[in-house]
Amino acid sequence: DSGVTQTPKHLITATGQRVTLRCSPRSGDLSVYWYQQSLDQGLQFLIQYYNGEERAKGNILERFSAQQFPDLHSELNLSSLELGDSALYFCASSVEVGAAWDEQFFGPGTRLTVL
Amino acid sequence: AQTVTQSQPEMSVQEAETVTLSCTYDTSENNYYLFWYKQPPSRQMILVIRQEAYKQQNATENRFSVNFQKAAKSFSLKISDSQLGDTAMYFCAFKRAGGGADGLTFGKGTHLIIQP
Repeated sequence: DSGVTQTPKHLITATGQRVTLRCSPRSGDLSVYWYQQSLDQGLQFLIQYYNGEERAKGNILERFSAQQFPDLHSELNLSSLELGDSALYFCASSVEVGAAWDEQFFGPGTRLTVL
Repeated sequence: AQTVTQSQPEMSVQEAETVTLSCTYDTSENNYYLFWYKQPPSRQMILVIRQEAYKQQNATENRFSVNFQKAAKSFSLKISDSQLGDTAMYFCAFKRAGGGADGLTFGKGTHLIIQP
């Protein structure tokens, strides 16, 4: 158990819908990262938040957005869903950004299926 | 931008054998970290080993060791005395070092199967 929690574990929805994935980082971790793992794209970095502020963007679609709240939990919002958005979405957390070494601890993931 | 390439989609070895997984990367950065992550059937991402680019000594963690060749941009993982529990997807990953924020860049993965 990494200490990172993600809810829900599984999510099934239809095309065109909007969903929200939730992540709670390890106690004390200020950085939250979101990753998408799909058969087509592999594992790719989406976005990073540090202490409530966006710090880095990866291959995140405009239909996707995220935020980190004052209690440091984060939500990833996916809208106008397409079949290709079906994937495993991971959240990871680390102590701080810019540290000489900050290991990212991964949550168990949320499996999204778009029908 | 950096890229990570794993050229072996799948490998299969007998239990107790030694196996080496390959990884090459491309970057213009001088300071960075390299990682190997394991993803068993449970889908949990588990850090196996890491290497700082400024360190010449290869990292070792019990049965796992790396061969880091900075000039060749190569970062292979050697698993000694392989065990059934080593069966998993293995991902090579890159992260820039320094004060900038950034996520991990992953390779496509190698599916390692340990046969009894």
